[in-house]
Amino acid sequence: KNEVEQSPQNLTAQEGEFITINCSYSVGISALHWLQQHPGGGIVSLFMLSSGKKKHGRLIATINIQEKHSSLHITASHPRDSAVYICAALSGGGADGLTFGKGTHLIIQP
Amino acid sequence: AAGVIQSPRHLIKEKRETATLKCYPIPRHDTVYWYQQGPGQDPQFLISFYEKMQSDKGSIPDRFSAQQFSDYHSELNMSSLELGDSALYFCASSFRVGEQFFGPGTRLTVL
Repeated sequence: KNEVEQSPQNLTAQEGEFITINCSYSVGISALHWLQQHPGGGIVSLFMLSSGKKKHGRLIATINIQEKHSSLHITASHPRDSAVYICAALSGGGADGLTFGKGTHLIIQP
Repeated sequence: AAGVIQSPRHLIKEKRETATLKCYPIPRHDTVYWYQQGPGQDPQFLISFYEKMQSDKGSIPDRFSAQQFSDYHSELNMSSLELGDSALYFCASSFRVGEQFFGPGTRLTVL
């Protein structure tokens, strides 16, 4: 069973700061998801990646398969980025369920 | 763009009752996943279907069953409800084993 660890658990930063959230997993994966969950519960998929780096707007996700580690970066952070960010690992090759990390609670203060 | 649709959005049931949650995947998506998120907890995978066949099974109680229909929508049936079943139930869909897109969730409260 894959163990997915995230850090930090909680992060408070000022508007404009560069944010980094880290994720490590214990077993080889086929892909890693970064998800965003707002108060009220809805989950939005930000990225799915299996190698290298992806960028979407102010969000950048990287993954190092050899080191079993991924990072999510937010540039020029804004209060609307405040949410829970979750990394989730897909271990198998089929329609397997995701194994979720505990999430990082991010608060961006104006 | 069309998203994953879940119904109902909120459901209140008594202990020992049954509940049925529905999930309509994004058009052309053939794979559906069900997740349960208890209060203050991270989501847990329950079960998935690919092309109407069960694909993977997680921590789904024996009291729960699910299926995927010919139009690819899925239903999660929950019987003999317990207080501990109160949670947010997410459905996600994907094309084959691609990126999973999540629905808004059904919040189930068992009294």
